[in-house]
Amino acid sequence: GENVEQHPSTLSVQEGDSAVIKCTYSDSASNYFPWYKQELGKRPQLIIDIRSNVGEKKDQRIAVTLNKTAKHFSLHITETQPEDSAVYFCAATPNAGKSTFGDGTTLTVKP
Amino acid sequence: DAGVIQSPRHEVTEMGQEVTLRCKPISGHNSLFWYRQTMMRGLELLIYFNNNVPIDDSGMPEDRFSAKMPNASFSTLKIQPSEPRDSAVYFCASSLGNEQYFGPGTRLTVT
Repeated sequence: GENVEQHPSTLSVQEGDSAVIKCTYSDSASNYFPWYKQELGKRPQLIIDIRSNVGEKKDQRIAVTLNKTAKHFSLHITETQPEDSAVYFCAATPNAGKSTFGDGTTLTVKP
Repeated sequence: DAGVIQSPRHEVTEMGQEVTLRCKPISGHNSLFWYRQTMMRGLELLIYFNNNVPIDDSGMPEDRFSAKMPNASFSTLKIQPSEPRDSAVYFCASSLGNEQYFGPGTRLTVT
């Protein structure tokens, strides 16, 4: 089955700096890669996703890159703000099947 | 759209009791997922349904856990008998295609 590894497990940055979270996956059949943000005590919420036919996708301050050859994808947050503090999960999904989640990255943005 | 609805939001029960968690997916979604989240094990997929049919239940920890989806608008996750190690937040998510939308979760405490 699919195996997703996520790094780092914790990340602390200064407000205004950039944050990068990286994930690798094992199953070449995976073709959909979402990222979720989970604030303390809340549900995971989809913030951005990328499909295998695209190398990069941006949405305001967040971007995701995908390297299918190397089987890794990354989340980039620029100009971080304290409200970006949360746990971020990556996931890899085969054709409309079940997603396999990474273990999460706890991001802390210090004001 | 009310989003995914879960009930109860909190459940405290004694070891050995039966627990039933409920989920109403987003109308029109054809896939439903049950997850369990703990600090130790992260976000685990327990089971998922497509068009009300269980597709993959390999994540169900043991026979004490069972899930049903009698129709497109309702699913239950039952634990019988419950044990203290079942204490966790249980999320239900639904999707049409790849994007999953999570419910608010049920926080289960088994004493």
